[in-house]
Amino acid sequence: GAGVSQSPSNKVTEKGKDVELRCDPISGHTALYWYRQSLGQGLEFLIYFQGNSAPDKSGLPSDRFSAERTGGSVSTLTIQRTQQEDSAVYLCASSLSVGNQPQHFGDGTRLSIL
Amino acid sequence: SQQGEEDPQALSIQEGENATMNCSYKTSINNLQWYRQNSGRGLVHLILIRSNEREKHSGRLRVTLDTSKKSSSLLITASRAADTASYFCATDASGGGSEKLVFGKGTKLTVNP
Repeated sequence: GAGVSQSPSNKVTEKGKDVELRCDPISGHTALYWYRQSLGQGLEFLIYFQGNSAPDKSGLPSDRFSAERTGGSVSTLTIQRTQQEDSAVYLCASSLSVGNQPQHFGDGTRLSIL
Repeated sequence: SQQGEEDPQALSIQEGENATMNCSYKTSINNLQWYRQNSGRGLVHLILIRSNEREKHSGRLRVTLDTSKKSSSLLITASRAADTASYFCATDASGGGSEKLVFGKGTKLTVNP
């Protein structure tokens, strides 16, 4: 497709399980961003990639969160030993390059931890 | 802390009226962007205004930027029911060495038919 694709769209899992969220950016976009949005809130920056490298991981809430990007394309965000406070919508965005560029968002993964 | 803060938090108007949303931020910026989010969807980029610009138009949208007051406004003219959404401003941080955007909590706009 032409836009940013995220999967799954919804994920319900038990506390303590690991989850993996996937983002497929727009073809040719070198920059990729992950955000978290809690109910009724703005977006909380998690991490961004320029190509396969992640210059800024400052937003990752804890060491249970990790992300990787391979081949300059698909990215996965992994949350280990999930906690209830991890429940949120996880949004991915991509842009042609970093800096002064509009970001194009996917529709997010709604994660619910029971 | 949040870089961008929008106000009001919620705004309800009648179709055909204008809607004005404001955004304030704390540090120097390279640019400021406005995004729209429909319920259950991702964000859609509306407009980007650079720090050396004061006003920008796109269709029914008008954005102003006052860097001396560290504030921006988004005006939607002749609103339509389809404009019902949450609107967010987002800022980068000039010289910060990072390309991340910092988003406010948004203004929830309801346009009543």
